[in-house]
Amino acid sequence: DARVTQTPRHKVTEMGQEVTMRCQPILGHNTVFWYRQTMMQGLELLAYFRNRAPLDDSGMPKDRFSAEMPDATLATLKIQPSEPRDSAVYFCASGLSPKAGEQFFGPGTRLTVL
Amino acid sequence: GDSVTQMEGPVTLSEEAFLTINCTYTATGYPSLFWYVQYPGEGLQLLLKATKADDKGSNKGFEATYRKETTSFHLEKGSVQVSDSAVYFCALSLKTGNQFYFGTGTSLTVIP
Repeated sequence: DARVTQTPRHKVTEMGQEVTMRCQPILGHNTVFWYRQTMMQGLELLAYFRNRAPLDDSGMPKDRFSAEMPDATLATLKIQPSEPRDSAVYFCASGLSPKAGEQFFGPGTRLTVL
Repeated sequence: GDSVTQMEGPVTLSEEAFLTINCTYTATGYPSLFWYVQYPGEGLQLLLKATKADDKGSNKGFEATYRKETTSFHLEKGSVQVSDSAVYFCALSLKTGNQFYFGTGTSLTVIP
């Protein structure tokens, strides 16, 4: 049963610390998305990649956030330095492009920044 | 720009009641339309989809019909169960790319 995996599932850290979240997309999928979900803002697209190349990261605060795909099986989202307002659930999703189709979501990383 | 607007919640229904969650869209092309469901503590998962006008998506008793003339994709279920309690997201994807546009989500609570 192919699924997107994310680690860690929960992270509590202090303001100013670096946070790294990891995602393993479904094997064969060539598109990866990072979303952030909060009660106030709902689901926000932070960045997405196709064939490991970043296509759009306009939703991401550039000064502290960075997203990469070192290889086809790993996507990372880093926050440095973290701030309390970054507290949210971060979801990774993968899919097949260029056809418009389903995105498969991971279980999310719940981040709390104290 | 391209966007999805869905009915605001929260929605509370009694078990076996009829459910409708409204969704309308704006798109420059001919999008595919989706309903995703998010159960507490989990990621979003696809509930149903439709890729062209007049298509009906269905799954687990839920249905939605792609209406191009009204630019709508309303979600319906004839008889909800407690286990349907979740947040429901309407979404569209343009065939020119793979970016998704999600609605704000509608929280549904079904009480026994």
